[in-house]
Amino acid sequence: EAQVTQNPRYLITVTGKKLTVTCSQNMNHEYMSWYRQDPGLGLRQIYYSMNVEVTDKGDVPEGYKVSRKEKRNFPLILESPSPNQTSLYFCASSLRGTSTDTQYFGPGTRLTVL
Amino acid sequence: EDQVTQSPEALRLQEGESSSLNCSYTVSGLRGLFWYRQDPGKGPEFLFTLYSAGEEKEKERLKATLTKKESFLHITAPKPEDSATYLCAVQASNFNKFYFGSGTKLNVKP
Repeated sequence: EAQVTQNPRYLITVTGKKLTVTCSQNMNHEYMSWYRQDPGLGLRQIYYSMNVEVTDKGDVPEGYKVSRKEKRNFPLILESPSPNQTSLYFCASSLRGTSTDTQYFGPGTRLTVL
Repeated sequence: EDQVTQSPEALRLQEGESSSLNCSYTVSGLRGLFWYRQDPGKGPEFLFTLYSAGEEKEKERLKATLTKKESFLHITAPKPEDSATYLCAVQASNFNKFYFGSGTKLNVKP
């Protein structure tokens, strides 16, 4: 089954404790992206990747890091989480990131930073 | 600055009562405008892509239209299973970024 998976689905942590949220897709997609979703603000793009070793900032990259060492994986790293990073995070992928490609979303990771 | 605004924030309809959701956008060169459906506790699910003014697309009770400044998602004779949050997004021509609106939460009562 074609899918985007994220782990963990729920995470409660404390300020400053480094964490990684994993994202994996099995569709051989080149384009992958991370979003955060907050009430009233909608989905905002954090980082995206056009292919292996090619990443770029979205609209809200501060406080986040990403890496794309393999085509299928695109982890999101919070090196020193703060309470304002409490949010619902979604990973997504599409074939090449063009407007003709369907973007598939993962199930989401709900992060709480205390 | 590229941005997307959706209205209303929430909409309550009776089953069978048709209505429209609005998505206004400002973007430097539109590559595509997208509609997604999001159910509680799930990721967004793709519905439509529109590329140019005048374009229309349909899927069951949903019909999406596009002008140079806005898009409408028309829902004809909705059913309770159409209850969800509907998201609009745009992709600009200069970048590979996506900009989303904050969504319209639709509740269809039987």
